[in-house]
Parts: sequence; C-alpha cells; structure tokens
Amino acid sequence: DARVTQTPRDKVTEMGQEVTMRCQPILGHNTVFWYRQTMMQGLELLAYFRNRAPLDDSGMPKDRFSAEMPDATLATLKIQPSEPRDSAVYFCASGLNQLNEQFFGPGTRLTVL
Amino acid sequence: EDQVTQSPEALRLQEGESSSLNCSYTVSGLRGLFWYRQDPGKGPEFLFTLYSAGEEKEKERLKATLTKKESFLHITAPKPEDSATYLCAVQAHITGNQFYFGTGTSLTVIP
Repeated sequence: DARVTQTPRDKVTEMGQEVTMRCQPILGHNTVFWYRQTMMQGLELLAYFRNRAPLDDSGMPKDRFSAEMPDATLATLKIQPSEPRDSAVYFCASGLNQLNEQFFGPGTRLTVL
Repeated sequence: EDQVTQSPEALRLQEGESSSLNCSYTVSGLRGLFWYRQDPGKGPEFLFTLYSAGEEKEKERLKATLTKKESFLHITAPKPEDSATYLCAVQAHITGNQFYFGTGTSLTVIP
C-alpha cells in the first residue's frame, strides 16, 4: 500500500531552534508539495517540486524556511530559526503532476514554544 | 482578496438528508478546481479534479459540478461516515503555479 510518509509526526521545540521535517513521497511520483495548516489560515501551499527542481516557493517565508529534495525519495523542509508563529501542522503531498490527485502524508505537528 | 470561499462553514445533516456545499472562486484562467476530504488528525484525501465549466464528476454519494464562478459538492443521502471537513482548492494560469485552498466546510451527519 503506497503512501507518503513524514517524520517526525510531532515536534515540540523552543523558539530559535532549527527544525527539519522529512517526507518520503510515493515511489514514482515526480511532484512533491509542502503545505502548512493552521486553524486561522487553513491550508497554505509553501512550495512544490517537480523532478526534484523547485517549481514554486512563493508561499514560503524565504528568510527562515528552506525546502529541498536531495534525491527522489526524500524531501526536506527546514525552519531556522523557528518562531512560535510557525506552530502548525505541516503536510507533504506527492503526485504524478500538479493537476492530478495529490496524496497527502499524515503531517508533522510542530509546536514552537 | 480571497481567491476561494467555501460555504457554509459548518453543516449538520440528518442521515439521508441530501445537501450541497459551495466553493466560489475569483481567479480567472482556471487550470483546475480540486475537492478534498479531511478527517480529524489526518491529511486531506483527494476526491475530484474539475477542469472546465459544465464538467461533473461522481463518486459514490458525492457529485461535483463546476461553473465559471463556483463549484458545488452535492451529497446524496449522506451517512455518518461522510462526516469530515471538505476542502476546495483552485489553481489558475494567472497566478502562476500557486494553489489556493478554501477554509473548508465541516460536515456532520447525524444517525
């Protein structure tokens, strides 16, 4: 049963610390998305990649966030330094292209104290 | 200005009571409109993609329709297991590659 995996599932950290979230997309999917979900803002697209190249990261605060795909089986989202307002659930999703269905992972719940 | 607006925010239905959820959008040059279902504590689950006005898609008790300004998700004879938050998203040519999600409709189906 192919599915997107994300680690860690929960992360509690203190303001100013670096946070790295990881995502393993479904094998064969060439498009990977990072989203953030909060009660106030709902689901927001942060960045996405096709064939490991960033296609759009306009939704991401550039000064503290970075997203990469070191290889086809791993996507990372890094926050440095973290702030309390970054507290949210971060979802990774993968798909065959940007207009096909996206398969979401279970999310990483981040709490920055 | 919000690109996507969903209504109502919350909806309670009796089992078997059909209804519709609305997603209105203001972007022009629509590339695709997407419906997702999200259960508490889980990631969204894809339901449909609609590409052009007049298009309809069905899956079990759900049917999605699209006009030039809005989409409807019709739920026929809902069951308690249909309870979830339903999210709508759009991607438009004019906004480049960005996806915009609505804030969702929380549906509760009472047995």
